[in-house]
Amino acid sequence: GIQVEQSPPDLILQEGANSTLRCNFSDSVNNLQWFHQNPWGQLINLFYIPSGTKQNGRLSATTVATERYSLLYISSSQTTDSGVYFCAVRPYKLSFGAGTTVTVRA
Amino acid sequence: NAGVTQTPKFRVLKTGQSMTLLCAQDMNHEYMYWYRQDPGMGLRLIHYSVGEGTTAKGEVPDGYNVSRLKKQNFLLGLESAAPSQTSVYFCASSSGTAYSNQPQHFGDGTRLSIL
Repeated sequence: GIQVEQSPPDLILQEGANSTLRCNFSDSVNNLQWFHQNPWGQLINLFYIPSGTKQNGRLSATTVATERYSLLYISSSQTTDSGVYFCAVRPYKLSFGAGTTVTVRA
Repeated sequence: NAGVTQTPKFRVLKTGQSMTLLCAQDMNHEYMYWYRQDPGMGLRLIHYSVGEGTTAKGEVPDGYNVSRLKKQNFLLGLESAAPSQTSVYFCASSSGTAYSNQPQHFGDGTRLSIL
């Protein structure tokens, strides 16, 4: 099946810092989603972005499908950004990466 | 605006007991999915359904059964619970066909502990 690799596995940020999370995938996809799993375990849809660039407030994402990677940018990080960020892709069934755990310190 | 609702939110079982997790969606989605999430890992697909009356196996189907008698509901059953099934279970739904690029929408999860 398709392999999804996320990096870095862990990220510690000072409040106000910017960061980039990366998702590499091993095959062509027609669906790529970024999720934020908050400390209560809820999965929050951030972006549905099989290609191109999208922005939502302080978050933005870019997917370069031809090169099989996606980037999630967090700008001016806040403590509420803490949690685990998952990338999930599918040509058919959604396959998740292992996640990037982000800790934002005040 | 309920979206995807999972019942119950928490449950503790003894080994060998059975139970059913319920997932309900109000978005008229054709596709529904059950995932499990173990500590430090992403979600893995257990079973899925492409429409009312149909189900199919995912990545880790052993020990689980599912039913989709109504379009809006997708049930996940454990016939004889085992400690290895201690996990957080997520349900999701999406519109579109098999190779559609529609996003999946997730419920809040069910935390299940098997003693």
